[in-house]
Order: sequence, then C-alpha cells, then structure tokens
Amino acid sequence: AQSVSQHNHHVILSEAASLELGCNYSYGGTVNLFWYVQYPGQHLQLLLKYFSGDPLVKGIKGFEAEFIKSKFSFNLRKPSVQWSDTAEYFCAVTSNDYKLSFGAGTTVTVRA
Amino acid sequence: DVKVTQSSRYLVKRTGEKVFLECVQDMDHENMFWYRQDPGLGLRLIYFSYDVKMKEKGDIPEGYSVSREKKERFSLILESASTNQTSMYLCASSPDRDLYNEQFFGPGTRLTVL
Repeated sequence: AQSVSQHNHHVILSEAASLELGCNYSYGGTVNLFWYVQYPGQHLQLLLKYFSGDPLVKGIKGFEAEFIKSKFSFNLRKPSVQWSDTAEYFCAVTSNDYKLSFGAGTTVTVRA
Repeated sequence: DVKVTQSSRYLVKRTGEKVFLECVQDMDHENMFWYRQDPGLGLRLIYFSYDVKMKEKGDIPEGYSVSREKKERFSLILESASTNQTSMYLCASSPDRDLYNEQFFGPGTRLTVL
C-alpha cells in the first residue's frame, strides 16, 4: 500500500486566517490524489481531486490543492478560513493497485 | 445523490461474539469497500469488492471476512470479536474501476467490543 503522510495532527487558527495542510506520498509512479473532509457528525466527503493536467486544482468551499510531482506532495490550502471549516481533513492516494490509501488525518479547529 | 447506508450507528458487543455490519448503496455501484477509522491512523482498508461474490483483501484483513451476495449490499463479519476491533467502521462505494472515481462513504458504525 501507498504511504501517505500528513504533517499536522491538529491545527488551531482564527477565522480569516490562511490554512495550509501538508500531504506527502511515497509512490514514484502515476498517482491520483484526493482530499476528503469529515465535518463533525457528517459523512466523509470529497473536497477535491487531481488526476492529470493543471497541477493546481480547485475544490468546494474555496479550497485548492497543488500537486508538486518532484516533492511527492499535494498540499491543501484555503486563503481565509471560516468557523464552518472546522473538520478533520484526510489526504488519500491511489496508484495502480486500485486501493485508496489515507493519511492519518488533520483536525482543524477554527476559532470564531 | 448517492446514498450509502449502514445498518447501525452504534453497536456494543462482547468478546467472542460474531458481529455483522451491513452496508447498502443505492446507485448501482460496482465497487464497495470496508474501512476502519482510528485516531492517529486515518482510514485503513479491510476488504473490498469489485463485483458480486467477489472480494479482495485490503491492508488489514485479519480477523474479518466479507460477503457480497447482491450488488448493492456488502457485509463485514467479525467471526469472533475482540477488544482490539473496537473502532469506527466505514463503508464506501464507487462506480467502477476507474482510479479517478471518488468513493462515497456511509455514516459509519461505531463498534465497541467489551
């Protein structure tokens, strides 16, 4: 299975602050990259994904992520967070074995 | 909207009991998955299935089995529950074997084994 590392376990920030969550993966070949989010009490849902093309992808709720192949990274960003962005965020990767490998997750707490 | 439902939100069982976790999806998806979610470990794949009566081991299949008798239903079975199987169990489905497809998740079953 892929190894996926998320650098921060818990991030606390104030509303309007900028957010960046790191994600690195281990596989050197072709990958498909995803960020999922789990809001309190809700299902895990897709935030955005990268398959090919423009390495800067935009997702729902103002999130974006940049794929940097040379760094094996797919970092998630949002310029200005809101209290409603409080959630757990998971980076995930598939390669040629059809399995989706998840990182450990980052809990983001936004203070109003 | 894709809907993935799981039979129970909370379940409490005793060590040694046989436990069935049921998952149903309503969008005719080919693929179905079972994960367990633990703090600090993220989601780990237990088993998955690409078709009826077909199953493949994920990363942590020990102590679990699965059944897929119908396309819309994927069951996870704990033959003899143990305390280290206390966890949140998530079921997911995706349309087909295209690696680009997102997975759609159910609400989860929080299982406690005493």
